[in-house]
Amino acid sequence: SQQGEEDPQALSIQEGENATMNCSYKTSINNLQWYRQNSGRGLVHLILIRSNEREKHSGRLRVTLDTSKKSSSLLITASRAADTASYFCATAYEAGNNRKLIWGLGTSLAVNP
Amino acid sequence: GAVVSQHPSRVICKSGTSVKIECRSLDFQATTMFWYRQFPKQSLMLMATSNEGSKATYEQGVEKDKFLINHASLTLSTLTVTSAHPEDSSFYICSATLPRGETQYFGPGTRLLVL
Repeated sequence: SQQGEEDPQALSIQEGENATMNCSYKTSINNLQWYRQNSGRGLVHLILIRSNEREKHSGRLRVTLDTSKKSSSLLITASRAADTASYFCATAYEAGNNRKLIWGLGTSLAVNP
Repeated sequence: GAVVSQHPSRVICKSGTSVKIECRSLDFQATTMFWYRQFPKQSLMLMATSNEGSKATYEQGVEKDKFLINHASLTLSTLTVTSAHPEDSSFYICSATLPRGETQYFGPGTRLLVL
């Protein structure tokens, strides 16, 4: 079952604006990851933040993690129309010899040109 | 690097037939592959975890006799939907990880429509 919740469920912005998506989770984690999915396609890994990290950057992406609040945020700066996609957070946990991911419900981002 | 392919990308079949979906890691050896199912505008639901050379581990509520998984090599896992019914219509996505890897690399997905 999925434990992550993301908000907002849908976000519509203009090109050039920043987009912020939030993710909350319920249990202890090894790390939290953000993925992107274009419509009808597979997912692409964006960034991983470990439980002992608070902030991480990758290009126009900035991810924060607050383990005390069990929440994370993904900020996309200077958004482009090509950023239009669904964004999912996933928390990693150990399951026997495997590491599984629990997925959030996703945020659908529309960047209007 | 870390490219995963899926075949077919789209399949339409009649109710009662079986459909096989292949997931291949093209440029790395994947000891673990995951199979997900995704309904429209929803998140991913993990169906099973597939380890090379051993039986797949199915998530609660997923029928192992319905969704047969074979991971015969380090680069190939297959999911067979047996006796498919319209309710099995969905988007099936596989992913693969490097040994002890933390990131999952996803295939492009297979859209199954059962008539």
